Amino acid sequence: EAQVTQNPRYLITVTGKKLTVTCSQNMNHEYMSWYRQDPGLGLRQIYYSMNVEVTDKGDVPEGYKVSRKEKRNFPLILESPSPNQTSLYFCASSPGAPPDTGELFFGEGSRLTVL
Amino acid sequence: AQSVTQLDSHVSVSEGTPVLLRCNYSSSYSPSLFWYVQHPNKGLQLLLKYTSAATLVKGINGFEAEFKKSETSFHLTKPSAHMSDAAEYFCVVRGYSSASKIIFGSGTRLSIRP
Repeated sequence: EAQVTQNPRYLITVTGKKLTVTCSQNMNHEYMSWYRQDPGLGLRQIYYSMNVEVTDKGDVPEGYKVSRKEKRNFPLILESPSPNQTSLYFCASSPGAPPDTGELFFGEGSRLTVL
Repeated sequence: AQSVTQLDSHVSVSEGTPVLLRCNYSSSYSPSLFWYVQHPNKGLQLLLKYTSAATLVKGINGFEAEFKKSETSFHLTKPSAHMSDAAEYFCVVRGYSSASKIIFGSGTRLSIRP
């Protein structure tokens, strides 16, 4: 089954404790992206990747890191989480990078709470 | 630069009545436009997309949207609401540029009254 898989789905952590949210897609998509969703703000892009070893900042990259060593995986790293990073995170992929105008396929989301 | 505005943060309709969720966009180039739906505690699912073909786009679950370039709008409609339509809806713009990002509207929460 074609899908985008995120782990963990739920996580409670403390300020400063490094964590990684994994994202994997099995559709051989070139484009992958991370978003955070906060009430009243819609989805805001954190980082995106056009292809392996090609990443770029989105609208809210502060406090996050990403890597794209393999086409299928795009982990989101919080080196020193803070309470303002408490949010719902989504990973998404698309068959091509812009200017391809295909749809995004989303994971189920990862709800992160930083105490 | 691209932007998208969803004009209503919350819409409430009675079951069986029409649904209208409004979206306006701004794009320097001919954009692709999408509507996604998010049910509680779920990921986002594509409802429909416009990519410069027919201006009236039909999607899943009876939804459709019309691209109006003169009004820079892409409103989502459904003739008759069902209880299962209660969800959050997002309008999304994706422009035709190698550096373009994908911009989400702030969302419209649709409530259905019995």
